Amino acid sequence: DIVMTQTPLSLSVTPGQPASISCKSSQSLLHSDGKTYLYWYLQKPGQSPQLLIYEVSNRFSGVPDRFSGSGSGTDFTLKISRVEAEDVGVYYCMQSIQPSWTFGQGTKLEIK
Amino acid sequence: EVQLVESGGVVVQPGGSLRLSCAASGFTFDDYTMHWVRQAPGKGLEWVSLISWDGGSTYYADSVKGRFTISRDNSKNSLYLQMNSLRTEDTALYYCAKEAYDSSGFIDYWGQGTLVTVSS
Repeated sequence: DIVMTQTPLSLSVTPGQPASISCKSSQSLLHSDGKTYLYWYLQKPGQSPQLLIYEVSNRFSGVPDRFSGSGSGTDFTLKISRVEAEDVGVYYCMQSIQPSWTFGQGTKLEIK
Repeated sequence: EVQLVESGGVVVQPGGSLRLSCAASGFTFDDYTMHWVRQAPGKGLEWVSLISWDGGSTYYADSVKGRFTISRDNSKNSLYLQMNSLRTEDTALYYCAKEAYDSSGFIDYWGQGTLVTVSS
């Protein structure tokens, strides 16, 4: 299985400041169909996960534009341009290039 | 409105069996691949299994392969997870989830989860 490694595992950010989370995969997530199967989810406290970013850099419906994704191959980054209080929770990267999907360990974002 | 409602989570002894169900509504169920994802208490997300729209393809995480079986009944808009030979490490909140579209590679809707506790 593909291993997804996130850093850092926790983050404490002052509102209005930027935040960045790295995700590295043990194999390339670029498929022969041209898509890169890398996604970002946020799980807010007490809630089910919600999709933020699909295929590396595409914001899902309703996701604020302060969230952005970038990267290629095996190295990816989620950035929040200006953190807001509602952004607290655990962020997960996920790959689905193989039928057996895998998530990163999660990065917990808290507000200072 | 898409709704996914899981049920069947209980306390079960190690070695026991359990069947989880997920009732789907608000979308054309038999058009979509469905998944089970779990989360152990205080831990991260772990993908468990998927089943194609017609049930013809199924995949499993190595941690459950040979013990769990995913199935669906499109006539009842329902997804199932048969869990056998349960271990304490299977204790988790089990989410039913809908894939966005065929071969999209991502989940767009999640249920609220049903809690399975494996303990003697």
